[in-house]
Amino acid sequence: ETGVTQTPRHLVMGMTNKKSLKCEQHLGHNAMYWYKQSAKKPLELMFVYNFKEQTENNSVPSRFSPECPNSSHLFLHLHTLQPEDSALYLCASSRQTQETQYFGPGTRLLVL
Amino acid sequence: AQSVTQLGSHVSVSEGALVLLRCNYSSSVPPYLFWYVQYPNQGLQLLLKYTTGATLVKGINGFEAEFKKSETSFHLTKPSAHMSDAAEYFCAVSSSGSARQLTFGSGTQLTVLP
Repeated sequence: ETGVTQTPRHLVMGMTNKKSLKCEQHLGHNAMYWYKQSAKKPLELMFVYNFKEQTENNSVPSRFSPECPNSSHLFLHLHTLQPEDSALYLCASSRQTQETQYFGPGTRLLVL
Repeated sequence: AQSVTQLGSHVSVSEGALVLLRCNYSSSVPPYLFWYVQYPNQGLQLLLKYTTGATLVKGINGFEAEFKKSETSFHLTKPSAHMSDAAEYFCAVSSSGSARQLTFGSGTQLTVLP
């Protein structure tokens, strides 16, 4: 399998649930990113990891908790989300943070 | 600070007609510029990018874009639209420094009419 993969592709959760989104890249990249894509709004960068270390947190609420155990895997742990958190969550990777980013297909999240 | 403005959230063209999607940017340093395409229920796919060098950049699927510094523009064009080009298109600019983070425009939904 090549490129950037994300699981699950669709997720419905209640506000009290705990769930995790997974991203895996098979490109040998060192940097990974989480973005949020809401309807009618530009993509919002959430987190940046470079060589497994978090280098950017764009004022994301603590109910979103990222984890990067190695350069190939990135998780987004979700806890007590709000309906306004419903969106498409996109993962991306790049060889270095200043290089071109390649995106996964996204996880469509619905919070009820 | 940097920003991207995409003029027109929806553009419709007839099959075979010219496609022109507009993008203007602001950046305090020389920018890197990108166009991404997103098909329904999919992630973003890189169409083309400008970093340095030739200002006319050719991408996949017959698309090209021209970097015009004087106009702070990076418009995307394709001479002849195909039905399969219907998608959402995003222009993006990257910041300076060691961490070139992307800032995206709001996107333009392209409809191709038969």
